[in-house]
Formats: sequence, C-alpha cells, structure tokens
Amino acid sequence: GESVGLHLPTLSVQEGDNSIINCAYSNSASDYFIWYKQESGKGPQFIIDIRSNMDKRQGQRVTVLLNKTVKHLSLQIAATQPGDSAVYFCAETGGTSYGKLTFGQGTILTVHP
Amino acid sequence: DSGVTQTPKHLITATGQRVTLRCSPRSGDLSVYWYQQSLDQGLQFLIQYYNGEERAKGNILERFSAQQFPDLHSELNLSSLELGDSALYFCASSVRSGGTEAFFGQGTRLTVV
Repeated sequence: GESVGLHLPTLSVQEGDNSIINCAYSNSASDYFIWYKQESGKGPQFIIDIRSNMDKRQGQRVTVLLNKTVKHLSLQIAATQPGDSAVYFCAETGGTSYGKLTFGQGTILTVHP
Repeated sequence: DSGVTQTPKHLITATGQRVTLRCSPRSGDLSVYWYQQSLDQGLQFLIQYYNGEERAKGNILERFSAQQFPDLHSELNLSSLELGDSALYFCASSVRSGGTEAFFGQGTRLTVV
C-alpha cells in the first residue's frame, strides 16, 4: 500500500527481548514480500524476503511470516540488540509491480539497553 | 557501505530552480532505481533504468526526469522546484531488473526554500 510517513507506529523493547513488527499489505498479486531496515541517516537495507507461495522463512536472528488470507506480514527479531534500533519497512514487488518496490509506512523500533 | 554513491549529500535551492542529482551504482549493477522519501508520503518509487533503458515508472512528476548513461551512472533532474519537492532522494541499484534486494545509497537531502 501507499506509505504514510507521519505518526509511524513505534515499538520499544528491552535488549535481549524478541521483537515482532507487523505489516498489512494490499496487493494480492505481489510475488515477493520484503523487509528493509533504515538506520538514521542511511538508506534502506535489505533484511529478508519471502516468496508469495511460502508462509515462513528464517534468516539469521530474523523470521518472516506471511499470511495471505489476511494479507499480513510480520518480522520477528530474536534477541533484539541496540544495533537493531531503526525504522523497519515492509515492501512488495512482482506481479504488475515488477521492477519496483512498493514500501509500507514503516515502524520505528527502539531497543533499550 | 552499500557501494552506491550519491552526490551531493545535501542541496538547498530556491523555488523555481532546477537541480541534478547523481548516482553511481554498485560495480556490475545494471539497474538503477530512484525513490523519494518525504514525511507525508513515505518511500515512493519514481523510476527505474536497466542498462540505459527506462524499465518502470512510478508516480514521477512531469517536472522530473532521469537518465542512465553508458557508464551506468544515473542522473535525476528536478525542475521548476516547489516547496513540496523537499525530500530525501535515494538511488538504489541491483544486478538485474526487478528482484527484491536493492542496494540503496545514502541519499540526497533536497531542501527547497
């Protein structure tokens, strides 16, 4: 869906906790769903992606879950660290949107030591 | 460091003026993407080039244009600037057209006064 920068959702966690960041998407025709991380003063950085025919994918300390029934995507970060503090964006691509990433609004994650 | 270089990092200009933002993709990447990040619209796809050819277009204003040169660097031209054009402009690159993992530069912060 379209991004709205104002009033981003926020999530505050303690170091060592697990974090779950959620995203609702709108385009059922997308082939891939992706998570990007944007630290202050930097460009977005790829974290992990999942193909539309999968419902779970694991990376290093991260897991992405896809629920196509309710058009919901989540990113789970295990043992969250202060360095994980950033804005997290979900994105989608493929289908009629091949060649571009459509970003969601973003969630601000703050990790307290 | 993503390997994508954007210049300048900051740009302040007056309304009605024209500016050119420059992007050097990662070595070997053929695709270049331009995104605009503003407070009210979030991250928005503008345009994609692949090996010198325009491949995909987003909601890019007619006052904006881009090109990719034979050496694969790209320029985004913004003309008749308005206050609302103030934003962060990101360039990203990838090896192939489309896909999920794009490497973003650090952005050019444009301020129109």
